[in-house]
Amino acid sequence: DQQVKQNSPSLSVQEGRISILNCDYTNSMFDYFLWYKKYPAEGPTFLISISSIKDKNEDGRFTVFLNKSAKHLSLHIVPSQPGDSAVYFCAARGRPLGGATNKLIFGTGTLLAVQP
Amino acid sequence: EPEVTQTPSHQVTQMGQEVILRCVPISNHLYFYWYRQILGQKVEFLVSFYNNEISEKSEIFDDQFSVERPDGSNFTLKIRSTKLEDSAMYFCAGGRDQETQYFGPGTRLLVL
Repeated sequence: DQQVKQNSPSLSVQEGRISILNCDYTNSMFDYFLWYKKYPAEGPTFLISISSIKDKNEDGRFTVFLNKSAKHLSLHIVPSQPGDSAVYFCAARGRPLGGATNKLIFGTGTLLAVQP
Repeated sequence: EPEVTQTPSHQVTQMGQEVILRCVPISNHLYFYWYRQILGQKVEFLVSFYNNEISEKSEIFDDQFSVERPDGSNFTLKIRSTKLEDSAMYFCAGGRDQETQYFGPGTRLLVL
């Protein structure tokens, strides 16, 4: 199932700089997108989400951008902090015509390392 | 801030044995889910539960799996006869609405 793809398995950024994590999807019926952060041996922690009717959502240091025509979303973290070092997952929810689902489809994750 | 909790954190079992994984969702959540992550693979959906019944299940969620929320608080996942390939991290999640899902810390299940 390759409907949600995170093509960069890892990213290294200097503290204070911007981190940009990318996610691509193939299913045009996805209507809601979420970013989660995950530390080892813990569950995914919700960060930020965006509905398909918007193209940007901001919450503190985190901003998610959605480009529906390109089927692409990105998470910007600025400024990056060492505590942001974790695996970041994007996830998408689809609403097929005539149906409803809350099932989240996850990407493979990107390991972010923020260097002090 | 309230959190989803899961017990046990680790479970080791023999193939063919039954296991029950437990979750205590956040009290005002109405929608409940189980996901799993096999080592090195994606987090994958198993089942969703709303209004005391399954609302959706994946092809993974076969007759060996069941869920229930018997007392209005605990939400359990039962695997009747475990297989080696059931070894994974199992995550419970919940939400107040149909959008954001909040995950628990997971139960690491190892089937020998």
